[in-house]
Amino acid sequence: AQKITQTQPGMFVQEKEAVTLDCTYDTSDPSYGLFWYKQPSSGEMIFLIYQGSYDQQNATEGRYSLNFQKARKSANLVISASQLGDSAMYFCAMREGRGTGRRALTFGSGTRLQVQP
Amino acid sequence: GAGVSQSPSNKVTEKGKDVELRCDPISGHTALYWYRQSLGQGLEFLIYFQGNSAPDKSGLPSDRFSAERTGGSVSTLTIQRTQQEDSAVYLCASSLGPRGQGSSYNEQFFGPGTRLTVL
Repeated sequence: AQKITQTQPGMFVQEKEAVTLDCTYDTSDPSYGLFWYKQPSSGEMIFLIYQGSYDQQNATEGRYSLNFQKARKSANLVISASQLGDSAMYFCAMREGRGTGRRALTFGSGTRLQVQP
Repeated sequence: GAGVSQSPSNKVTEKGKDVELRCDPISGHTALYWYRQSLGQGLEFLIYFQGNSAPDKSGLPSDRFSAERTGGSVSTLTIQRTQQEDSAVYLCASSLGPRGQGSSYNEQFFGPGTRLTVL
């Protein structure tokens, strides 16, 4: 089974509008972290936002917020007031467990967002 | 304040040749990761180093792949007898390690990647 599922291969949004990028995850570990990364055409991976499984509130970072619905195992990224520079691939990722175990991320297949003027 | 650096940025090689990819993590970061990104795909975990612990090699796709990390800093990913399916962007990331909680301890900082093309 896929650990991270991003069902939207591509999305379009008008400039200045909000957009939601979907992400669902699958884990039996009670301790995990969820991440969103942005990858522009230049290729670098840019960290956007993090949500821990025990965090009581949804994470927010500027125009980015994470709609964390634990019971549904979803961690959707909301970008408010889209800008042309937001056009990129967006990856949802998860790290399971805590302590000194493997800390590598499991990534979804990504969503390509295109912001239109 | 340099970020993660990788070299070379591009590598073109012939099938059957060996290649070495280098990663310089952020100073002070104890955790180092290698990922592979095939065209249009998400990132695939390859190997993880944490301090002086034995590396987690569970993501390496075959025994042609190996990696080492010298002195807890620089890492080299080696692919022997390259195949065309090895063509991908190889990304290295580093982080502070497993201590603590919150994004500052969990964030992985990625390098620019090495684009490997096997002809």
